[in-house]
Amino acid sequence: LAKTTQPISMDSYEGQEVNITCSHNNIATNDYITWYQQFPSQGPRFIIQGYKTKVTNEVASLFIPADRKSSTLSLPRVSLSDTAVYYCLVGDSNYQLIWGAGTKLIIKP
Amino acid sequence: EAGVAQSPRYKIIEKRQSVAFWCNPISGHATLYWYQQILGQGPKLLIQFQNNGVVDDSQLPKDRFSAERLKGVDSTLKIQPAKLEDSAVYLCATIGQGATDTQYFGPGTRLTVL
Repeated sequence: LAKTTQPISMDSYEGQEVNITCSHNNIATNDYITWYQQFPSQGPRFIIQGYKTKVTNEVASLFIPADRKSSTLSLPRVSLSDTAVYYCLVGDSNYQLIWGAGTKLIIKP
Repeated sequence: EAGVAQSPRYKIIEKRQSVAFWCNPISGHATLYWYQQILGQGPKLLIQFQNNGVVDDSQLPKDRFSAERLKGVDSTLKIQPAKLEDSAVYLCATIGQGATDTQYFGPGTRLTVL
């Protein structure tokens, strides 16, 4: 059975790079790993998605090792507005969606 | 492009009462999910539709929860009767075309059961 593990919370400062790692065993071999951001009183919002190696878009990078047992979301030069909860989402071998418990990221001035 | 719409945004009911939530997906999005998100936890999938057919309802408490998606567009989620532990945010998400399966979420309905 697939399971995801993320740090419960993280603190950082404006301008720093933040890396959040999600561990995920027994995920589907050909499914994407996706990260979402959620602000209070809002639904989750897509950040980035990848299958393997490295993916970069205008807001983040995603690093996925060859064994796909983890993934690391990298947020460059964070600002106060990046304070949110970040979730990783994977599919298990039955293609059921497995959400992590989320990482509460707090950015300080 | 309009986003996923949900209503109501907030609902307060007493236990044993009934409640219904409505979701209007992004136009053309065939896949629709209902999630329950309890405070401090990640979303928990309740049911997945593909057009008007159910793909996965294995985690839906069918003794009290029901959902439908008539005509493959709007969807409703109903709870009857509600329990205290149903207090949560109910999120609707849809997937568009393409192979990346990016989910687009609505703002959610916050349900408080007293």
